Amino acid sequence: DQQVKQNSPSLSVQEGRISILNCDYTNSMFDYFLWYKKYPAEGPTFLISISSIKDKNEDGRFTVFLNKSAKHLSLHIVPSQPGDSAVYFCAAFNTGTASKLTFGTGTRLQVTL
Amino acid sequence: GAGVSQSPRYKVAKRGQDVALRCDPISGHVSLFWYQQALGQGPEFLTYFQNEAQLDKSGLPSDRFFAERPEGSVSTLKIQRTQQEDSAVYLCASSSSGLAGKTQYFGPGTRLLVL
Repeated sequence: DQQVKQNSPSLSVQEGRISILNCDYTNSMFDYFLWYKKYPAEGPTFLISISSIKDKNEDGRFTVFLNKSAKHLSLHIVPSQPGDSAVYFCAAFNTGTASKLTFGTGTRLQVTL
Repeated sequence: GAGVSQSPRYKVAKRGQDVALRCDPISGHVSLFWYQQALGQGPEFLTYFQNEAQLDKSGLPSDRFFAERPEGSVSTLKIQRTQQEDSAVYLCASSSSGLAGKTQYFGPGTRLLVL
């Protein structure tokens, strides 16, 4: 039972354009969401997070949007750069019960020149 | 300061062999997590320590998996009688607090291949 889903296994975007990565969740108890970025042979690196009390959080080129009613979040990268090419994981947890993260299966982003 | 380190980085084991995977968290981090990442999947939670106490081991797939953190710092994940389905990348993460919302910092992982 996949509680966090990333339905697009891969995405290709031209340099300078916007990258939009999507994530859906089924567990309504999740109230905190994170995006991690992973390069080959390295561990995931925290990118940006959002609490369920917000619907948007921005950090430089990265913005995360949360739509609680649709149980959907998205990560926007503007402008996309070649160094952004990596696998992006969406993760979620319930702040009242545990710190353990439930991850999606990841989306591989390729930013082309 | 140094990040989370894991050793070995790669391990090949014959089916039935026991293996031990080590994690050195960031100094001073009280929380430590183990995750298993199968090929093409996201990391899946295995177990969680706060200092030396194992507070959650609900993700351990069988009693062949055992984790310890005796002094509240270094942790070892042990897999007994390895099976082919144990082949995966094992990720360790640490956090400065057990409080929700604190960022988990991941190590590079140990890639285990069971033949």
